[in-house]
Amino acid sequence: QKEVEQNSGPLSVPEGAIASLNCTYSDRGSQSFFWYRQYSGKSPELIMFIYSNGDKEDGRFTAQLNKASQYVSLLIRDSQPSDSATYLCAVGEDSSYKLIFGSGTRLLVRP
Amino acid sequence: GAVVSQHPSRVICKSGTSVKIECRSLDFQATTMFWYRQFPKQSLMLMATSNEGSKATYEQGVEKDKFLINHASLTLSTLTVTSAHPEDSSFYICSARDGVGGTQYFGPGTRLTVL
Repeated sequence: QKEVEQNSGPLSVPEGAIASLNCTYSDRGSQSFFWYRQYSGKSPELIMFIYSNGDKEDGRFTAQLNKASQYVSLLIRDSQPSDSATYLCAVGEDSSYKLIFGSGTRLLVRP
Repeated sequence: GAVVSQHPSRVICKSGTSVKIECRSLDFQATTMFWYRQFPKQSLMLMATSNEGSKATYEQGVEKDKFLINHASLTLSTLTVTSAHPEDSSFYICSARDGVGGTQYFGPGTRLTVL
């Protein structure tokens, strides 16, 4: 059973701080990793994807991947109240194209 | 780019009726689409994988005769909830896989309420 683990939170940070969201996965052979944001009552929206070890930056967001440790993280710089949402980590299953989702981490950015 | 639409966005129906939900990829072709269900305060649950021109693959515990999936073209998949009951009330979300990049893009979801 392939698993993706996330701390459910809530993770509370003050406005302007860096929010760090973490995710671990069980399948060492996984190759593709995704971060989605989901606001309450809405569907998930893609923030970033990462395939290679290291960091990938896009605006205020940085995804970090460490395949040896089976760990992927998302950093949000200069956090804004509008970033308050649930962040879903997903790992791609190459054979079926499925995404295995974590249960999500709820982020709360305090004004 | 990478827009996925769903219709309807919200539906209320009586117990015993059938409801059809459409999922369209608007600006890319999707050979694979996925159907998820999400109950309040819970994570996404994959129901089935839909491949264009072939039968859907259902996850364990999902009744294929109750949740009929048709993927008739590279831009359209439909989910029909047959003989709906109140326990089928949920948020149904589709996603479409971009065949070029492999990323899944989600539709806005359909909120189904069965009375």
